[in-house]
Amino acid sequence: ETGVTQTPRHLVMGMTNKKSLKCEQHLGHNAMYWYKQSAKKPLELMFVYNFKEQTENNSVPSRFSPECPNSSHLFLHLHTLQPEDSALYLCASSQAGGGTGELFFGEGSRLTVL
Amino acid sequence: AQSVTQLDSHVSVSEGTPVLLRCNYSSSYSPSLFWYVQHPNKGLQLLLKYTSAATLVKGINGFEAEFKKSETSFHLTKPSAHMSDAAEYFCVVTLYNQGGKLIFGQGTELSVKP
Repeated sequence: ETGVTQTPRHLVMGMTNKKSLKCEQHLGHNAMYWYKQSAKKPLELMFVYNFKEQTENNSVPSRFSPECPNSSHLFLHLHTLQPEDSALYLCASSQAGGGTGELFFGEGSRLTVL
Repeated sequence: AQSVTQLDSHVSVSEGTPVLLRCNYSSSYSPSLFWYVQHPNKGLQLLLKYTSAATLVKGINGFEAEFKKSETSFHLTKPSAHMSDAAEYFCVVTLYNQGGKLIFGQGTELSVKP
């Protein structure tokens, strides 16, 4: 149990589907993140939320739509994805906007787009 | 530009032999440096971190890293590899002049042979 829980762990979807990834943290943190991990590429930061407010959008296509209803929950809504969006999506949380660099990661949601 | 480079994409060692995973960084400011580990089908976990205190940093599972400013390096070492050390390792730099943004290296896959 890492303190950061992601569901589902695996997801297969067609390009016309709409699905959502969920992340929940039980660590009392006030910053949450979405990262994309593709094979043979560095981790890509997608979104950052501090105190429920989005503070960073790293030029992510609009087919990815994040939602942060409170400091403990983070969603990534997916629609009309492309096969190249297949990847491991990692959620992380931290204190105080991540300035100390210590992030706590979930185990990821493995997404396959057909 | 600030960056981090992991010099080996893959390292293979025999069980009981030393481990060396190399990392070089580029930064105009004093960085904070981290090593994260990712076991198969898991999220990332912090191994150790350097934040301008002691230059030799000890982490979990017998790993340590030494910050060498003159060489702009932060190599990860372990005296004796164990089978359970097989994983992907990421060197990370965070830059306070950029709001604590994390920059991940591309990762080094460590294989441990019996």
